[in-house]
Amino acid sequence: EAGVVQSPRYKIIEKKQPVAFWCNPISGHNTLYWYLQNLGQGPELLIRYENEEAVDDSQLPKDRFSAERLKGVDSTLKIQPAELGDSAVYLCASRRGTGGELFFGEGSRLTVL
Amino acid sequence: GESVGLHLPTLSVQEGDNSIINCAYSNSASDYFIWYKQESGKGPQFIIDIRSNMDKRQGQRVTVLLNKTVKHLSLQIAATQPGDSAVYFCAESRIQGAQKLVFGQGTRLTINP
Repeated sequence: EAGVVQSPRYKIIEKKQPVAFWCNPISGHNTLYWYLQNLGQGPELLIRYENEEAVDDSQLPKDRFSAERLKGVDSTLKIQPAELGDSAVYLCASRRGTGGELFFGEGSRLTVL
Repeated sequence: GESVGLHLPTLSVQEGDNSIINCAYSNSASDYFIWYKQESGKGPQFIIDIRSNMDKRQGQRVTVLLNKTVKHLSLQIAATQPGDSAVYFCAESRIQGAQKLVFGQGTRLTINP
């Protein structure tokens, strides 16, 4: 069974440019999460989806960040415009239902110059 | 506010020795705790979990201990191997409600040959 797939793995952009990250969760996992991980820190939740509904986006900086999961499967996370402080790893995770083990992708490392 | 932290940012042990990684949490309402392992360039991987109605749980070479009185969590790894080298995070949550995981800062475990 394939794990959580994220792309791109690495992205380098200049500040003020837009960037988008894509996540394909494990088949059958209806709950999807986007986390932000700064160097040496634990992941911090940005947004949680149950199917196509964003049920917790309280930590998402909505002035520049947006996310969607239109068909309740794949998801995209967008930043526009990117700032220097957005340099981090963006992790996607999924699980079946609202309990059980949470599976993480390998992350998308963003560097903003 | 809520916080989950680790006592030591780095830990070095000799191959074959046992290691103990500690974690303190401050939210007494948390009733579910998880340890994750994160290797370089990868997403966090579930190791073991424990509910607040237990004080000890064992897995393969790993044991998690929970002391609710002092809000302390530890991960014991027996007979450490080179493959155990990674950053270890504890995370707290509640079984009911928002399913939000709060991660600690992480401890880097290095296994010396």
